[in-house]
Amino acid sequence: NAGVTQTPKFQVLKTGQSMTLQCAQDMNHNSMYWYRQDPGMGLRLIYYSASEGTTDKGEVPNGYNVSRLNKREFSLRLESAAPSQTSVYFCASMRDRANEKLFFGSGTQLSVL
Amino acid sequence: GNSVTQMEGPVTLSEEAFLTINCTYTATGYPSLFWYVQYPGEGLQLLLKATKADDKGSNKGFEATYRKETTSFHLEKGSVQVSDSAVYFCALSGGSSASKIIFGSGTRLSIRP
Repeated sequence: NAGVTQTPKFQVLKTGQSMTLQCAQDMNHNSMYWYRQDPGMGLRLIYYSASEGTTDKGEVPNGYNVSRLNKREFSLRLESAAPSQTSVYFCASMRDRANEKLFFGSGTQLSVL
Repeated sequence: GNSVTQMEGPVTLSEEAFLTINCTYTATGYPSLFWYVQYPGEGLQLLLKATKADDKGSNKGFEATYRKETTSFHLEKGSVQVSDSAVYFCALSGGSSASKIIFGSGTRLSIRP
């Protein structure tokens, strides 16, 4: 029962470096999401993919790109990391619109120095 | 666009006290409403949901009623326990995309024995 798996769990980057956060789900869910969590700001939606082959911007997409590689995998890329992107990143998935329950991964703690 | 506003925390209560955490929303159409809970060191998990006006969601002694006239979805529990200490997030789905799910800023709840 892996559920939603995120890698890595922790990452430290220098300003300007790039990296990709990986997310995979084994529940055959259609929709996948990337959120960031900052103190006092709650969870903010970065990008989401309602179904395989589609991606849409969320509330805070600037500085990020995503790829829905297949139905299982949804990656988040930081092309040129900035200190403002220091945050905890959560991937989530949902089966479909009729069953509106998000399943979350355990998060990635990212620090940009 | 859609938005969710929660009462600011932290909220500190004694065990067996009555809990209310306020949540109001702005949305077009007919969103579904949710409460998620995040225990220390974990990802979020769904606590309860309501999909239409006047619906009441309930789980683990928590309740919330979808009030369209006041655009509210307040979380209540009659007698809190130490184990209820967590961060609670109000959320909604809908708007430009039915699959888009956004969250409020979260309310940290601490229960004293």
